[in-house]
Amino acid sequence: SQQGEEDPQALSIQEGENATMNCSYKTSINNLQWYRQNSGRGLVHLILIRSNEREKHSGRLRVTLDTSKKSSSLLITASRAADTASYFCATPPLEGRTSGSRLTFGEGTQLTVNP
Amino acid sequence: EPEVTQTPSHQVTQMGQEVILRCVPISNHLYFYWYRQILGQKVEFLVSFYNNEISEKSEIFDDQFSVERPDGSNFTLKIRSTKLEDSAMYFCASSQFGTGGAGYTFGSGTRLTVV
Repeated sequence: SQQGEEDPQALSIQEGENATMNCSYKTSINNLQWYRQNSGRGLVHLILIRSNEREKHSGRLRVTLDTSKKSSSLLITASRAADTASYFCATPPLEGRTSGSRLTFGEGTQLTVNP
Repeated sequence: EPEVTQTPSHQVTQMGQEVILRCVPISNHLYFYWYRQILGQKVEFLVSFYNNEISEKSEIFDDQFSVERPDGSNFTLKIRSTKLEDSAMYFCASSQFGTGGAGYTFGSGTRLTVV
């Protein structure tokens, strides 16, 4: 089964608007993580939300988690042109391995913020 | 802020040649990973490494791949006989905890092109 599917695949907004990206997953999780990737660059960890949390904030980022629907959303408020990037959700396995747990990534949402 | 360093940033190699991708994880992290991202596709897990041995590998990580921590700082991915389909971005990552309970730090990646 495919873990972590984001929608929309692409989102184009104007600077100052809010951007909302969604992620659905199939298996139970301990936490869900959001990453950002600028074009051709590495992945940057943005925020982690645990399965017992419903909402988490970090600066202009707001993440929600609905474990009953197996979905999460990432909201970027007051977007800026510099927010243009791909955004991925990722989950480690429920039974985390003490020897290192793989992350399963979604397809990603390409966000374009137009100045 | 500590970062994961990868070299080279770009590598072009002939099909059938061996390549070694290098990574310097964050110094106090104990868990190391390699992921790859074929152009336009999702980020895929290759292998995790802990206590000087592979702790998990994906079906992608076949006999042509190997990893090594030759000294106290470097973590390498070797592809013995490259194929065209090995062309991708390869990301190294490290984490302080093995259970996936915290974020992972990724390097900026090595773009491998097999011609």
